[in-house]
Amino acid sequence: GAVVSQHPSWVICKSGTSVKIECRSLDFQATTMFWYRQFPKQSLMLMATSNEGSKATYEQGVEKDKFLINHASLTLSTLTVTSAHPEDSSFYICSVLRTTSGSYEQYFGPGTRLTVT
Amino acid sequence: AQSVTQLGSHVSVSEGALVLLRCNYSSSVPPYLFWYVQYPNQGLQLLLKYTSAATLVKGINGFEAEFKKSETSFHLTKPSAHMSDAAEYFCAVSDRTGTALIFGKGTTLSVSS
Repeated sequence: GAVVSQHPSWVICKSGTSVKIECRSLDFQATTMFWYRQFPKQSLMLMATSNEGSKATYEQGVEKDKFLINHASLTLSTLTVTSAHPEDSSFYICSVLRTTSGSYEQYFGPGTRLTVT
Repeated sequence: AQSVTQLGSHVSVSEGALVLLRCNYSSSVPPYLFWYVQYPNQGLQLLLKYTSAATLVKGINGFEAEFKKSETSFHLTKPSAHMSDAAEYFCAVSDRTGTALIFGKGTTLSVSS
């Protein structure tokens, strides 16, 4: 398996401020990480694919200038929500991609609950 | 394109009863299929996955799922429900190149005593 951490687990911020969320792969080097967003009682929606050393690939409809992703090392990816607004309040979950025995598997972090007031 | 449909947004069973959570997929290429469980305010935990080996896949906590290509289904079952099984369950599909997962809308499992 893989162990993935996220920090912080909960964050409350005021409208207009920026918030950084960290995703760490604790026990292996992850070339690829994913960022998902989950609204209450709904499924996970992929926001972007983060590749170490290169620019993230954003899904259609996700504003790259608002959701800044940096994957500067093989163990850390960060998501910065810039100029946050109440509609950005959500549960953000990252995952790391690991190849085992020729197949791929994603391991998820515990998530970060963002509340924008 | 790939997609997943989970039939039934909410399933209720009694403790000790059979659990059956339904998942149908659509994929133009041979898929990988997954079942994840999510407890409140937590991330996702992998229950089991199908990657083209055995069609009957056994996972953690007594869960299993059977890949049926003819029915494009990957239903999750557990012979006897336990109170601790109450959670949100997600079925997901991906292709075999390690791209991101496509999730179903989830099924909430309630277990009553």
